[in-house]
Amino acid sequence: NAGVMQNPRHLVRRRGQEARLRCSPMKGHSHVYWYRQLPEEGLKFMVYLQKENIIDESGMPKERFSAEFPKEGPSILRIQQVVRGDSAAYFCASSNYRDRGHEQYFGPGTRLTVT
Amino acid sequence: QKEVEQDPGPLSVPEGAIVSLNCTYSNSAFQYFMWYRQYSRKGPELLMYTYSSGNKEDGRFTAQVDKSSKYISLFIRDSQPSDSATYLCAMSRMNTGFQKLVFGTGTRLLVSP
Repeated sequence: NAGVMQNPRHLVRRRGQEARLRCSPMKGHSHVYWYRQLPEEGLKFMVYLQKENIIDESGMPKERFSAEFPKEGPSILRIQQVVRGDSAAYFCASSNYRDRGHEQYFGPGTRLTVT
Repeated sequence: QKEVEQDPGPLSVPEGAIVSLNCTYSNSAFQYFMWYRQYSRKGPELLMYTYSSGNKEDGRFTAQVDKSSKYISLFIRDSQPSDSATYLCAMSRMNTGFQKLVFGTGTRLLVSP
């Protein structure tokens, strides 16, 4: 049962370093969403991607954050020059096609700690 | 004001009790209503979803939506210690495109044996 896979599960970075988070969607799913969960807060939408396209990045901070979903390989969420406030759990979700976008299946998350 | 409000709990109940979890929301454009279960240090797991108003039942779980009151509920019958987790409500609008989920902060449920 190949669910949504994320790696690494835990990532520690020093301030100023780059963090790369990877997400492989469920088999047959071509729509990927990234969410961030801060302590004591709900999940917040960041970006929605299809293969080779960013469809909506309205939840992404304007600077230092970028995402991609190449034709081959996993989706990548990249955070440049990390700061302590970036420490959070980052979850990836996938759905099988646009009209069923409300049925999103989540991965186990990557917990980023910035020291 | 948050778009979706959810009491963080914790809600403590004995095994076998009926549990009621609730969310309120402010945006009448929401059409899809989801409930996720999240165990500690894990990803959210989709339990069930409802479109528009009404009830939906799946085993021990029943979801209710009252759009006139902007209020949704999840009932868990015969609760088990394994139900101890954080329950997240999520909602999305009826767009022609993708559906961004808006989450509540989650209610922590503790079921004691």
